Amino acid sequence: AQSVAQPEDQVNVAEGNPLTVKCTYSVSGNPYLFWYVQYPNRGLQFLLKYITGDNLVKGSYGFEAEFNKSQTSFHLKKPSALVSDSALYFCAVRPWADSNYQLIWGAGTKLIIKP
Amino acid sequence: KAGVTQTPRYLIKTRGQQVTLSCSPISGHRSVSWYQQTPGQGLQFLFEYFSETQRNKGNFPGRFSGRQFSNSRSEMNVSTLELGDSALYLCASSSDPTGLLYEQYFGPGTRLTVT
Repeated sequence: AQSVAQPEDQVNVAEGNPLTVKCTYSVSGNPYLFWYVQYPNRGLQFLLKYITGDNLVKGSYGFEAEFNKSQTSFHLKKPSALVSDSALYFCAVRPWADSNYQLIWGAGTKLIIKP
Repeated sequence: KAGVTQTPRYLIKTRGQQVTLSCSPISGHRSVSWYQQTPGQGLQFLFEYFSETQRNKGNFPGRFSGRQFSNSRSEMNVSTLELGDSALYLCASSSDPTGLLYEQYFGPGTRLTVT
């Protein structure tokens, strides 16, 4: 079965430190990968995506993610965390071979940045 | 451009009733997707419409239905409400005609509470 895993329910980081939110996937064919963020009481916002090309993708708010095909991972990173980065982060995958065009979502990771 | 709008923002219904939620996509976007978000199940895909046609459907019972109008506005209907239907219902629009590559833009959601 095709799936996305965000192995950590919550990640705690001190402000100014680098942060990583992990995402691994299991899909057939080449994946299209996305990261979204959800702030409290709001809908999701697109951060970045990987479709093809350079494995390192840069997105909004200083975030970046690296596509690692051998490890089937797409971890979200930021060099220096801000308190305002505290939110719920979702990884999503669209299998290239999936004719249903349906996104497969991870369960979400709550990121807490402490001052 | 105005973002995705959803009405109403909050709704309280009684078990057994039915409810209709509305979504207006970003101007020019013809793809509209609906999601159910709950703390226990995370983000669950309901269905996607493109140019008034249901293009994809998630694993929800027939009590959940939707439609899309010629102006791309979409409605979602839930009949015979159950307590378990209490959730945040999110609508997302996209300009991608293939449904594969482009990011989605989410509305703020409708918080449905069933008592």
